[in-house]
Amino acid sequence: EVQLVESGGGLVQPGGSLRLSCAISGFTFSDYYMDWVRQTPEKGLEWLGRSRNKANNYAPEYAPSVKGRFTISRDDSKNSLYLQMNNLRIEDAAVYYCARDEGGTYLYWGPGTLVTVSS
Amino acid sequence: DVVMTQSPLSLPVTLGQPASISCSSSQSLVHSDGNTYLNWFHQRPGQSPRRLIYKVSNRDSGVPDRFSGSGSGTDFTLKISRVEAEDVGVYYCMQASHWPRTFGPGTKVDIK
Repeated sequence: EVQLVESGGGLVQPGGSLRLSCAISGFTFSDYYMDWVRQTPEKGLEWLGRSRNKANNYAPEYAPSVKGRFTISRDDSKNSLYLQMNNLRIEDAAVYYCARDEGGTYLYWGPGTLVTVSS
Repeated sequence: DVVMTQSPLSLPVTLGQPASISCSSSQSLVHSDGNTYLNWFHQRPGQSPRRLIYKVSNRDSGVPDRFSGSGSGTDFTLKISRVEAEDVGVYYCMQASHWPRTFGPGTKVDIK
């Protein structure tokens, strides 16, 4: 059974940093592109970026809104995807999801982890 | 970025009656590979989105056949032939033909 579970969310002050993790099971992690998507009541669902698979050298790609502040990485030996978020802003407060990229679609999503940015 | 719009944003429905949600994109979603990467998701409160339809009209395994997707180019539709109580929630379209991927604002479906 395919499972994705995010963790690492919490309360952080503006300007602070947070690293989210996504633990996967049930499939060969290195074969797949993996994406991060966030959701806020104000902006809805927003694609943040992705990590390509092993065959494509794990090359990351980012949305312009987070490029330079967020970094996506992965550790295939730990079956984990990461999202390092730096210089967090009030508007980064959201539920963050990891999702398995199926080539233009997402069949599997994690339950999400909540990030709150507040002083 | 490709802007996705949905209408209506709120849809009160009567159980057993049909429902229809429209999704429009600011540019054609026909990809250079010939596919149209338009997806529909359903989200209930406190849950992550669940995919219903991919590539315009392909219904996922386990999705009731009362759900259907159609459309082409820039205009797409999700139809529910007979609404059931479990269908309440928010429906989103998402395009993956252009980067970055973008989602519609969502259509909230509830029972009258």
